[in-house]
Amino acid sequence: DAMVIQNPRYQVTQFGKPVTLSCSQTLNHNVMYWYQQKSSQAPKLLFHYYDKDFNNEADTPDNFQSRRPNTSFCFLDIRSPGLGDAAMYLCATSGWGGTYQETQYFGPGTRLLVL
Amino acid sequence: AQSVTQLGSHVSVSEGALVLLRCNYSSSVPPYLFWYVQYPNQGLQLLLKYTSAATLVKGINGFEAEFKKSETSFHLTKPSAHMSDAAEYFCAVSDATGGFKTIFGAGTRLFVKA
Repeated sequence: DAMVIQNPRYQVTQFGKPVTLSCSQTLNHNVMYWYQQKSSQAPKLLFHYYDKDFNNEADTPDNFQSRRPNTSFCFLDIRSPGLGDAAMYLCATSGWGGTYQETQYFGPGTRLLVL
Repeated sequence: AQSVTQLGSHVSVSEGALVLLRCNYSSSVPPYLFWYVQYPNQGLQLLLKYTSAATLVKGINGFEAEFKKSETSFHLTKPSAHMSDAAEYFCAVSDATGGFKTIFGAGTRLFVKA
């Protein structure tokens, strides 16, 4: 089945230790998104890629970076995680049919714990 | 800029009762509206979406939503709640002024009592 896969599902890191979260997709979608979701809150968009074009949200901390080496994979790098970065990180993909109605397909998320 | 307001952070219903989750949106242009469901420790799954076709939209798992432009609402309903419907529900909006962004509401947690 076509899907969005996130690895690992749970990640524990230490304060200040760089961490990378991975997302892959078999949907061949050209748009990929990273969201941060804290407990009982809505997902907050960090950035997205349209093909290789990177679009950062204005309020995304510099501590967060992303890479998209090819259509299928996208990575979220947190350079120096702080306690406030503990959250669920969701990857999503969508097609682009020239309108804004394309459905986003979400992966299961990676829960990050910072010790 | 578009926005979404979900009325009620928690809703509790009995099994078999009507489910009504409220969503109001703000958009300066015709919006696209979505309802997503999230089960614990899972990603979001699309329930249904409105894309300017029929105002009554039917989704998966027996859910439906009605787009009412005059009320700027897109409430989610299900005639008879099931225990498996207990989850977090997010209303979302996107439109031509917002680029690729989908704006999510704060979410409503649905509890279903036996």
